[in-house]
Amino acid sequence: DQQVKQNSPSLSVQEGRISILNCDYTNSMFDYFLWYKKYPAEGPTFLISISSIKDKNEDGRFTVFLNKSAKHLSLHIVPSQPGDSAVYFCAATRGGSNYKLTFGKGTLLTVNP
Amino acid sequence: DGGITQSPKYLFRKEGQNVTLSCEQNLNHDAMYWYRQDPGQGLRLIYYSQIVNDFQKGDIAEGYSVSREKKESFPLTVTSAQKNPTAFYLCASRLRGLAGELFFGEGSRLTVL
Repeated sequence: DQQVKQNSPSLSVQEGRISILNCDYTNSMFDYFLWYKKYPAEGPTFLISISSIKDKNEDGRFTVFLNKSAKHLSLHIVPSQPGDSAVYFCAATRGGSNYKLTFGKGTLLTVNP
Repeated sequence: DGGITQSPKYLFRKEGQNVTLSCEQNLNHDAMYWYRQDPGQGLRLIYYSQIVNDFQKGDIAEGYSVSREKKESFPLTVTSAQKNPTAFYLCASRLRGLAGELFFGEGSRLTVL
């Protein structure tokens, strides 16, 4: 049972335009959400996170939106750059002593010059 | 520099052999994690440990074993009981008690011949 879903395996965007990556979750106990970026043969690097008490968090070109009623979050990258080309993973967790991240399957973003 | 070191980066194993992947961190993090990545599968949790001398099974623990004798070390043994061991293995850590991101190592690629 996949609790975190990224339904788009890939996304292609022109440089300078907006990239929107989507993520859905099924576990209503999740209260903290993260986005990671990953290049081939490397470990994921943290991008941005959001707590369930917020509906938006922004960090430079990256903004994450959370819609709790729809159990949906999205990552917006504006403007997109060729260096943003990577696999993006959505992750979710429930706070507390048993802290662990559940990841989606990832979306491969390609930003074309 | 502080970080997480995984070794070896590449490992080849014959069927029926056990292998141990090393993970060392000097971030003074309490919690450590092992994930496995397969193409199109995202990251799946194998084992995690919140404190020394304690660890819990993740979603795909069968065929794996771990130990946590020291705070900075969390080795993963892939046993011969693991049916499909060829994968990219990622170790991560975080400070316990804070909602926040996991920091990942560079990964180890295991190939079973």
